[in-house]
Amino acid sequence: AQRVTQPEKLLSVFKGAPVELKCNYSYSGSPELFWYVQYSRQRLQLLLRHISRESIKGFTADLNKGETSFHLKKPFAQEEDSAMYYCALLSYNFNKFYFGSGTKLNVKP
Amino acid sequence: NAGVTQTPKFRVLKTGQSMTLLCAQDMNHEYMYWYRQDPGMGLRLIHYSVGEGTTAKGEVPDGYNVSRLKKQNFLLGLESAAPSQTSVYFCASTPPLGTGNNEQYFGPGTRLTVT
Repeated sequence: AQRVTQPEKLLSVFKGAPVELKCNYSYSGSPELFWYVQYSRQRLQLLLRHISRESIKGFTADLNKGETSFHLKKPFAQEEDSAMYYCALLSYNFNKFYFGSGTKLNVKP
Repeated sequence: NAGVTQTPKFRVLKTGQSMTLLCAQDMNHEYMYWYRQDPGMGLRLIHYSVGEGTTAKGEVPDGYNVSRLKKQNFLLGLESAAPSQTSVYFCASTPPLGTGNNEQYFGPGTRLTVT
């Protein structure tokens, strides 16, 4: 069964510290994975997708098929990074997305 | 382009009342989705549609119905609201999957409270 797991509900770091938000998935096939971000009381928006292999706002994420992980990383956190982050997996078989339960990132000054 | 819009933004219902949430998109997207967002639960898929006139059940469909009579609109109905349906509801749309852009575009959300 398809599943996305984000083990941390809350992650607090100080400004300038590295941050890693964990995401693990289970999927029988080639996964397509995304990170979405939701700033306070705003709509969700795409942060990055693994097929693009890009860095957005200093964030990167690498798909590790051996560990079935897609962790989101940033070397130096900023206060404006404080938000809720969701990892998502696209299932082509069922034409739908599976979201993790989200991790709230709190960057302290 | 307005993108994805949702009506209303807020609503308070009494148990047993009915209501319809409207989602509209002006991007000519084929696929539309309704999610609910609850603390600690993330986003859970209620119903979705892969085209005009088609709908399918998601992860938590009970207590909800949907209709997609027009490509640009996706309606979510609550026939008899229950306190367990207190949540924030998000609509999203995507172009047909596999066309190179599989991004979900989200609406601003509807905050529903059932007392």
